[in-house]
Amino acid sequence: AQSVAQPEDQVNVAEGNPLTVKCTYSVSGNPYLFWYVQYPNRGLQFLLKYITGDNLVKGSYGFEAEFNKSQTSFHLKKPSALVSDSALYFCAVRVNAYSGAGSYQLTFGKGTKLSVIP
Amino acid sequence: GAGVSQSPRYKVTKRGQDVALRCDPISGHVSLYWYRQALGQGPEFLTYFNYEAQQDKSGLPNDRFSAERPEGSISTLTIQRTEQRDSAMYRCASSSTGTSGRLTDTQYFGPGTRLTVL
Repeated sequence: AQSVAQPEDQVNVAEGNPLTVKCTYSVSGNPYLFWYVQYPNRGLQFLLKYITGDNLVKGSYGFEAEFNKSQTSFHLKKPSALVSDSALYFCAVRVNAYSGAGSYQLTFGKGTKLSVIP
Repeated sequence: GAGVSQSPRYKVTKRGQDVALRCDPISGHVSLYWYRQALGQGPEFLTYFNYEAQQDKSGLPNDRFSAERPEGSISTLTIQRTEQRDSAMYRCASSSTGTSGRLTDTQYFGPGTRLTVL
C-alpha cells in the first residue's frame, strides 16, 4: 500500500518570504511524486512532478520541489511567496512500476492550506 | 475542449434517489479516472478507464457505484440508492497516453461535482 503524509494542516507565511509545504511518502518500490494546487471553487491544478533524474524539480508559478529518497520526502518550495499563492496544496504518489490493480491511481495526502499574509 | 469538464457542478438529491455524474475529458486523452474527495481530505481513487475498458474499479466502495465510458470519451459515474455518506466532491481526471506512458502521465482534473444527499 502507498500513502502520503502532509504533516501541517496549515502554513502561514509573510508575503515575500520563502515558503515550504512538507510531504513525506511511503510506497513499495520507487515513487513518482506530484504536487497539485486547489483554489476555491476550482479543480485541482497540476504544479510539478518528479519522475526521474535531477532531485530538484521546477514547476509552474515559480514553485519547485526537492525529492529526497533517504528521507522519503518531496517538499514544495518557493523562494518568495505571493498573496495569490494562498490555496490548498496536495502531494500525491504513484508507484513507478506496474503491479496490478491500483497501479495507475494517485494516492493523495490530506492537503495543506497555505496562507500568505500581505 | 480546453480542459476536463464535469456536469452538473452541483447536485442535491434525496436519499434513495439515483444520480448520474458526467465527465468530458480533454480531447484525445485515452485514460480517465474518477476520484471522490470528502471535506478536509485528499481525493481518493474510485475507478480507471483506458479507452472504453474499465481496467481498475478497485476503489468503488460498493455495488451501488458504477461507471461507464462506452465510446472511449465521455464517462458517467452512477450512484444508485444514494445515502447521506455519499455526499462528497466527485472529481474526474484524464491523461493522454496509452500503454507505455501511463505511470508517468500527469492527470488533469476537472472542476468536480459537489454531491449533497439529504
